[in-house]
Amino acid sequence: AQRVTQPEKLLSVFKGAPVELKCNYSYSGSPELFWYVQYSRQRLQLLLRHISRESIKGFTADLNKGETSFHLKKPFAQEEDSAMYYCALSGGSGGYNKLIFGAGTRLAVHP
Amino acid sequence: NAGVTQTPKFQVLKTGQSMTLQCAQDMNHNSMYWYRQDPGMGLRLIYYSASEGTTDKGEVPNGYNVSRLNKREFSLRLESAAPSQTSVYFCASSEEGQGWEKLFFGSGTQLSVL
Repeated sequence: AQRVTQPEKLLSVFKGAPVELKCNYSYSGSPELFWYVQYSRQRLQLLLRHISRESIKGFTADLNKGETSFHLKKPFAQEEDSAMYYCALSGGSGGYNKLIFGAGTRLAVHP
Repeated sequence: NAGVTQTPKFQVLKTGQSMTLQCAQDMNHNSMYWYRQDPGMGLRLIYYSASEGTTDKGEVPNGYNVSRLNKREFSLRLESAAPSQTSVYFCASSEEGQGWEKLFFGSGTQLSVL
């Protein structure tokens, strides 16, 4: 069965510290992995996807098929990064229109 | 540029009451979705519609019905609300054409069933 696991409910760091939000997935095929973010009083929105191999707002995420992980990283956290982050998986039966989300990790960046 | 618009933003129901959550998008997207968000469980797909006139069950469809009224609108109906349906509901639509889909979300509906 497809599953996305985000083991941390809350990650609390100080400004300037490195950040790693963990995401592990269970899927037998070739998945598409995404990170979505929800800032306070804003809508949930796409942050990045693995296939584009891009850096958005200083965040990067590498798909590790051996470890079935897609951790989100940023070398120096900023206060404006505080938000709820969701890892999501797409693929399998039903195709791309069935995104499976993890439970989410709240990132709190303190001054 | 409204994107995805959901109404209402807040609703309180008594057990057994019915209601319909409305969703409309102005981006000419084919696919639309209803998710519920619960603490510790992330977002779970209730129903989705890949195109006008089609709907399919997601992960947690029990207790809900949907209608894809036209390309713009996708409504979610609770026929007999239960406390277990207390949640935040999100409507979304998706941009297609590149082998993957980017979801655009509404601002959510906070529903409490007493």
